[in-house]
Amino acid sequence: NAGVTQTPKFRVLKTGQSMTLLCAQDMNHEYMYWYRQDPGMGLRLIHYSVGEGTTAKGEVPDGYNVSRLKKQNFLLGLESAAPSQTSVYFCASSYDGRNEQFFGPGTRLTVL
Amino acid sequence: AQSVTQLDSQVPVFEEAPVELRCNYSSSVSVYLFWYVQYPNQGLQLLLKYLSGSTLVESINGFEAEFNKSQTSFHLRKPSVHISDTAEYFCAVSRSGYSTLTFGKGTMLLVSP
Repeated sequence: NAGVTQTPKFRVLKTGQSMTLLCAQDMNHEYMYWYRQDPGMGLRLIHYSVGEGTTAKGEVPDGYNVSRLKKQNFLLGLESAAPSQTSVYFCASSYDGRNEQFFGPGTRLTVL
Repeated sequence: AQSVTQLDSQVPVFEEAPVELRCNYSSSVSVYLFWYVQYPNQGLQLLLKYLSGSTLVESINGFEAEFNKSQTSFHLRKPSVHISDTAEYFCAVSRSGYSTLTFGKGTMLLVSP
């Protein structure tokens, strides 16, 4: 099992460009999450999904959109990137939402 | 809303010394508590968790944490650290019935020879 995978691993964008981060899990988990990690801030939840076709806002959703068209995939989109979105993005999944979350390796995004 | 406070941003310690990383949370309802570890340039890995039952939980690599409801704490301890324990440690809490975690800001454990 690959667990949770994220693509790409690194990306550099110019202000105003758009991109999509892909998260995939092969554990048949219902719950999936997108976080951003910034120095001294810990992990902050951007959006999450409790099942295929559902999404919900987390703590810092502004400037991001998500989609969960297939159970195994959770996409995070930036429509118009801003330097404040420079961060490391982590995807995670969980079987039942109250138990352990499994994390991907992260995507390091720089917006110039 | 719930919050998690990790009082120390960095904890320097010598190899083979004991260590305690502190975590306090605020919630008036039942909670589940977690400690995650992040090694450099990697994702987070679960270290240990408290869901119910015994208030003392242990990991396979010698860490333990004790849930203290009256003090709303879940401090992480290890009696003798190794160089390989150098990493960032995150405390996290979820409320019973909810499906999201709230993370603390992390504590960097720096183990030197």
